[in-house]
Amino acid sequence: DGGITQSPKYLFRKEGQNVTLSCEQNLNHDAMYWYRQDPGQGLRLIYYSQIVNDFQKGDIAEGYSVSREKKESFPLTVTSAQKNPTAFYLCASSIPPYEQYFGPGTRLTVT
Amino acid sequence: AQSVTQLDSQVPVFEEAPVELRCNYSSSVSVYLFWYVQYPNQGLQLLLKYLSGSTLVKGINGFEAEFNKSQTSFHLRKPSVHISDTAEYFCAVGISNTGKLIFGQGTTLQVKP
Repeated sequence: DGGITQSPKYLFRKEGQNVTLSCEQNLNHDAMYWYRQDPGQGLRLIYYSQIVNDFQKGDIAEGYSVSREKKESFPLTVTSAQKNPTAFYLCASSIPPYEQYFGPGTRLTVT
Repeated sequence: AQSVTQLDSQVPVFEEAPVELRCNYSSSVSVYLFWYVQYPNQGLQLLLKYLSGSTLVKGINGFEAEFNKSQTSFHLRKPSVHISDTAEYFCAVGISNTGKLIFGQGTTLQVKP
């Protein structure tokens, strides 16, 4: 079955550590996206990539980094510079301008 | 700049009653409009979409929405809800050919027995 996988489902880290969230898709989509979701704030775009080896900052990119070395993969690193990293992170992909398909999400807790 | 406003943060409704979740958008260009549903601790699932053509769009699970260009609205409706429809619903507008989506804040639909 085609789809988007995110791993792990739950992730716990100590403050000051970098952590990388995985996102893989086998839908052959060119574009991929990372969102952060906090209660009552909807989804906010962190980074997006429209093609391999290229990506752009979204609305809240500070403290995050990404890479897009393969069409299927778009990992997100939450760095120690992100002041409030605890959140639900969602990855999506699409063939622009059409609908985005979402993964199941990773819930990151930093203490 | 594009923006999306979901006019109700919570909508309580009894089972088998009709429901409308309201969404207004602002955009100076042609838009693509979407409704997504999210169950607790899960990703978003597409309910329906408007890209062009008929302004009445039918989606999954008995939901439908109407695109109203003059009122810049895209309200979601269902004639009879079930307990299983309890979830968070997001309206989104697509920005031209970038594929980027702007999401509303979400509406929590609470279906009571």
